[in-house]
Amino acid sequence: AQSVAQPEDQVNVAEGNPLTVKCTYSVSGNPYLFWYVQYPNRGLQFLLKYITGDNLVKGSYGFEAEFNKSQTSFHLKKPSALVSDSALYFCAVRDRDYGGATNKLIFGTGTLLAVQP
Amino acid sequence: GAGVSQSPRYKVAKRGQDVALRCDPISGHVSLFWYQQALGQGPEFLTYFQNEAQLDKSGLPSDRFFAERPEGSVSTLKIQRTQQEDSAVYLCASSLVGGASTGELFFGEGSRLTVL
Repeated sequence: AQSVAQPEDQVNVAEGNPLTVKCTYSVSGNPYLFWYVQYPNRGLQFLLKYITGDNLVKGSYGFEAEFNKSQTSFHLKKPSALVSDSALYFCAVRDRDYGGATNKLIFGTGTLLAVQP
Repeated sequence: GAGVSQSPRYKVAKRGQDVALRCDPISGHVSLFWYQQALGQGPEFLTYFQNEAQLDKSGLPSDRFFAERPEGSVSTLKIQRTQQEDSAVYLCASSLVGGASTGELFFGEGSRLTVL
């Protein structure tokens, strides 16, 4: 079954420093990978996705993610963190589709990013 | 509105009561999903609609959970005889196309259900 793992419950980083939020995946077939962000009492917001092509994907709010097939990873990165980046981040993989029926996503458990001023 | 709208935002129910949660997706979106998010967890898939057809309900935890989307737009998630373990945030998401696309999902702000 398709799955993603986020090994860190929380990541702490100082404002202005680079940040990385880790995600590894396990899939059958081609991986379709996503990152979403959730601010308190808000719905999930799409950040970026990897479908095919360049391994470095750029997304919203200055975030990017690097797809690494050999390490089965899709880590989220940002060169310079902002206090406003503090939120809950979810990695997700599209479920394997056997009959062309759905683009259902399977989510990781989330990583809380705390950026200190 | 421009986004996915869910109501009520907060619902407190006594154990055994029935509840209904509404989702109004982005206009014209074919796909609609319901997810359940327990405290401190990631969203867990419940069910999926393509227009009015419920194509996947494999994530519904019991027969107390029922969802419908009769006209292919607004959807309702109904939980009968609520139990404490049903306490969670219920998220609705829509997507422009149906089928096995790679388009992103657009989420509503969720309905937080607390069962006492």
